Amino acid sequence: KNEVEQSPQNLTAQEGEFITINCSYSVGISALHWLQQHPGGGIVSLFMLSSGKKKHGRLIATINIQEKHSSLHITASHPRDSAVYICAVRSYSGGGADGLTFGKGTHLIIQP
Amino acid sequence: SQTIHQWPATLVQPVGSPLSLECTVEGTSNPNLYWYRQAAGRGLQLLFYSVGIGQISSEVPQNLSASRPQDRQFILSSKKLLLSDSGFYLCAWSVSGGQPQHFGDGTRLSIL
Repeated sequence: KNEVEQSPQNLTAQEGEFITINCSYSVGISALHWLQQHPGGGIVSLFMLSSGKKKHGRLIATINIQEKHSSLHITASHPRDSAVYICAVRSYSGGGADGLTFGKGTHLIIQP
Repeated sequence: SQTIHQWPATLVQPVGSPLSLECTVEGTSNPNLYWYRQAAGRGLQLLFYSVGIGQISSEVPQNLSASRPQDRQFILSSKKLLLSDSGFYLCAWSVSGGQPQHFGDGTRLSIL
């Protein structure tokens, strides 16, 4: 079973700061997802990646397959970025029908 | 475009009462469907997934069951709720293996 660890668990920063959230996993994967969960609970998929780097607006996600590690970066952070960010992985061996294994999430608060 | 509907948004139920949560998807055919639970302080946990009508796989033993009576309808049920069934329940769908999963807005279930 894949173990997914995220750090930090909680992060409070000032508006404009560069944010980094980390995710590590224990077993080789076929894909990694970064998700955003807003206070109401709804979840939005931000990225799915299996290698390299992806960018969408102020968000950047990177993955290092050899080190089993991924990072989510937010540039020029804004209070509206406040949310829980969740890392999830799809393992080669586990979970039929692409069931994902989730980290516990990083609770990000951006203060104005 | 594809949409996913999940209801109700919040639910308060007494211990021992039955449960039925419904999820429907629009704008796609033969989706993979998922039920997840997010307990307080814990990551999302896959409860059930379905690759087709009447095909349900359970990831963890529990007090809940799932059914898929129609292609785009996924129902989570219980005959008798336990206190430990409290949590945030999310329905999700994906087109095929490895594709991003799209989440509903969730149901916050409180058991009294």
